[in-house]
Amino acid sequence: EPEVTQTPSHQVTQMGQEVILRCVPISNHLYFYWYRQILGQKVEFLVSFYNNEISEKSEIFDDQFSVERPDGSNFTLKIRSTKLEDSAMYFCASSGGWHQPQHFGDGTRLSIL
Amino acid sequence: TQLLEQSPQFLSIQEGENLTVYCNSSSVFSSLQWYRQEPGEGPVLLVTVVTGGEVKKLKRLTFQFGDARKDSSLHITAAQPGDTGLYLCAGDNAGGTSYGKLTFGQGTILTVHP
Repeated sequence: EPEVTQTPSHQVTQMGQEVILRCVPISNHLYFYWYRQILGQKVEFLVSFYNNEISEKSEIFDDQFSVERPDGSNFTLKIRSTKLEDSAMYFCASSGGWHQPQHFGDGTRLSIL
Repeated sequence: TQLLEQSPQFLSIQEGENLTVYCNSSSVFSSLQWYRQEPGEGPVLLVTVVTGGEVKKLKRLTFQFGDARKDSSLHITAAQPGDTGLYLCAGDNAGGTSYGKLTFGQGTILTVHP
């Protein structure tokens, strides 16, 4: 069964450094999402993306965050200058349409030191 | 802001027992999705319910969407140790004012003892 893949599985970075989290969505999906889950808390929506544009973003997704689809297969989340509170699991998801179920990757655990 | 309250947060039962997990909101959702998440993995989709009053069955799991599309339940019959895991509900307001944004509940950690 097609799946969403995320790399790396674990990223450790010094505070203030830039990180790029990578995702390969399911190949025929055109709608992409990032979510995060801080340890012990709910999964939270960050951003949705379609047709090379951000469709919706949450309050968490401030100017430090950006997303990009650099080629036909990858979807990336960049955090420009990481803070301690950015430490979380980051999940990428994709779907075949806004009303279609979302399929999640296994996440990247981001640890900011 | 849409919120989903999931209960109970923890559930510890014996093999063979039945259980129900609830997901409630004051907001209307276009659809509601149930996921199961194992440690170190992402949420895996179990089912999507779309129509108010809809009931879907997946082997021993029964999912129901409330008539007003504000709440949902997951019922497991004759639970087995293999059902142990984290169950998440997530509401979707796609087609309303959002573009696929899922609002998640807190999750229910289910432990089924042999």
